[in-house]
Amino acid sequence: AQSVTQPDIHITVSEGASLELRCNYSYGATPYLFWYVQSPGQGLQLLLKYFSGDTLVQGIKGFEAEFKRSQSSFNLRKPSVHWSDAAEYFCAVVIYNQGGKLIFGQGTELSVKP
Amino acid sequence: DVKVTQSSRYLVKRTGEKVFLECVQDMDHENMFWYRQDPGLGLRLIYFSYDVKMKEKGDIPEGYSVSREKKERFSLILESASTNQTSMYLCASRKAGTGSYGYTFGSGTRLTVV
Repeated sequence: AQSVTQPDIHITVSEGASLELRCNYSYGATPYLFWYVQSPGQGLQLLLKYFSGDTLVQGIKGFEAEFKRSQSSFNLRKPSVHWSDAAEYFCAVVIYNQGGKLIFGQGTELSVKP
Repeated sequence: DVKVTQSSRYLVKRTGEKVFLECVQDMDHENMFWYRQDPGLGLRLIYFSYDVKMKEKGDIPEGYSVSREKKERFSLILESASTNQTSMYLCASRKAGTGSYGYTFGSGTRLTVV
């Protein structure tokens, strides 16, 4: 069955430190992958997506993600975290032969220490 | 600016009531989706619709039904609300047949069942 796993429910990093949020997927075909962010009280915002091509994808707000087929992973990274990055982050995979439904991971809540 | 509008931001309903959550999009999108969001569980798909009058069960359809009589409107129905349906509900839509998989999400309805 298709699934997405985000192993870390909550991560705390210091402002200015680097960040990596983990995402593992299970999907039989070539995956289309997304990272979304949800700030407190806000809607979902797309950070970046991967469909094909270069496995290192650049997104908004200085985020990037690397697709690794051999590890079934799509980890999100940022070299230097800002206090405004505190939010919940969701990884998702498209099931494109089933109406394009999105399957989400459990989410990772990011806290940023001053 | 394209929009997915959910009619209520907050709702409080009593156990046993029939509840309607409404979602309207102005983008002529064929595909529409209902998710519920719970802490530690991420977003889980309840139902989705390929097009008008079409519907498919998602991962957690029990206790819910949907209606799609017009292309722009996708309604989620709780036939007899229960306290375990207290949650945040998110609607989304996308244009079918496009390779971009651009999803637009609503701001959510926070439902409390007492």
